[in-house]
Amino acid sequence: RKEVEQDPGPFNVPEGATVAFNCTYSNSASQSFFWYRQDCRKEPKLLMSVYSSGNEDGRFTAQLNRASQYISLLIRDSKLSDSATYLCVMATGGFKTIFGAGTRLFVKA
Amino acid sequence: DVKVTQSSRYLVKRTGEKVFLECVQDMDHENMFWYRQDPGLGLRLIYFSYDVKMKEKGDIPEGYSVSREKKERFSLILESASTNQTSMYLCAGATGETSTDTQYFGPGTRLTVL
Repeated sequence: RKEVEQDPGPFNVPEGATVAFNCTYSNSASQSFFWYRQDCRKEPKLLMSVYSSGNEDGRFTAQLNRASQYISLLIRDSKLSDSATYLCVMATGGFKTIFGAGTRLFVKA
Repeated sequence: DVKVTQSSRYLVKRTGEKVFLECVQDMDHENMFWYRQDPGLGLRLIYFSYDVKMKEKGDIPEGYSVSREKKERFSLILESASTNQTSMYLCAGATGETSTDTQYFGPGTRLTVL
């Protein structure tokens, strides 16, 4: 079983839609969680960190559920520019970082 | 603006060749990482370095070695390239003492081994 699992998608949504991605993890010792965004043929870039209390950045909301061992990303009012691959990332402390395989999102006009 | 550069965007090599992938960061970051990214598998850590001349194996170090002689430069070496090492290679830098800090990635090197 992979340490971090994501639905690969693709998710095809119209502009203005709300879309949610989940990511499950198997290591209960995981300490920190992040969402990275990767545009086609580009490098990954940090989108946001994920905190137990949940956090919001504009149209993006991230949640962590330690009991069920998953994190989520909600995108409201989708824009064409949101089309990308979203990577779920987990850090267990030290220098070990685990990346999910990514969920592809296509936002269409 | 932080910057991580990689020596080549595209590279084609023959089986058995020794391959050097170079990564330079201008952020004065202590920590640097090498990953490979393959479809359906995500990014997998090959090696990381937390200081000059210091290195630690990641999840898939077999067939690779690294060198960090200067703080800003972290090199990945394929001693004898094989076709299963065809992949996208991404270098990253990060500050701080743990992997909980943001990683800044270079643009990647797409390596094809024939």
